[in-house]
Amino acid sequence: AQKITQTQPGMFVQEKEAVTLDCTYDTSDPSYGLFWYKQPSSGEMIFLIYQGSYDQQNATEGRYSLNFQKARKSANLVISASQLGDSAMYFCAMREGYSGSARQLTFGSGTQLTVLP
Amino acid sequence: KAGVTQTPRYLIKTRGQQVTLSCSPISGHRSVSWYQQTPGQGLQFLFEYFSETQRNKGNFPGRFSGRQFSNSRSEMNVSTLELGDSALYLCASSLGDRGQSDTQYFGPGTRLTVL
Repeated sequence: AQKITQTQPGMFVQEKEAVTLDCTYDTSDPSYGLFWYKQPSSGEMIFLIYQGSYDQQNATEGRYSLNFQKARKSANLVISASQLGDSAMYFCAMREGYSGSARQLTFGSGTQLTVLP
Repeated sequence: KAGVTQTPRYLIKTRGQQVTLSCSPISGHRSVSWYQQTPGQGLQFLFEYFSETQRNKGNFPGRFSGRQFSNSRSEMNVSTLELGDSALYLCASSLGDRGQSDTQYFGPGTRLTVL
């Protein structure tokens, strides 16, 4: 079963508008972390935001916020006031547990966001 | 603080050859992870090194190996290259001791093409 599901292969948004990128996850571990990364066409993965499973509040970082709904196992990324430079592939990723054996990030398939002028 | 650096950025090899990729982590980071990214399989975890020891390994054949040096720099080696090894290889570094919140920072990647 997919551990991270991103159901939107591609999204379009008008410049200066807000956009939500969906991410659902599957884990039976009560302790986990969720990450969002941005990958421009250059290839480098850029860290955007982190949410821990025990965090009481939704994470925010500048124009990025995470709509974390634990019961629904969703961690949607919200980008406010989109800019042309936000056009990129966006990946949701999860790390389960605290033990060394579960340290790797598991990534979703990504959402290609295009910001229109 | 300098980011994660990877060399070379681009590499073209032929089937059967071997290749070594290098990764220099952010200063102070002791964990280095390697990922393979392909259009068909997406991002897949290869292995993680922490303090010169392999701490975690993904589901890749033994042709893929790595090591980490005392300065935390890491190398990844792929022997007997196959066409399917063509991919973007990403290296990520982190502090390595922060549990689930340990954020990985990625380098620009090495794009390997196998002919």
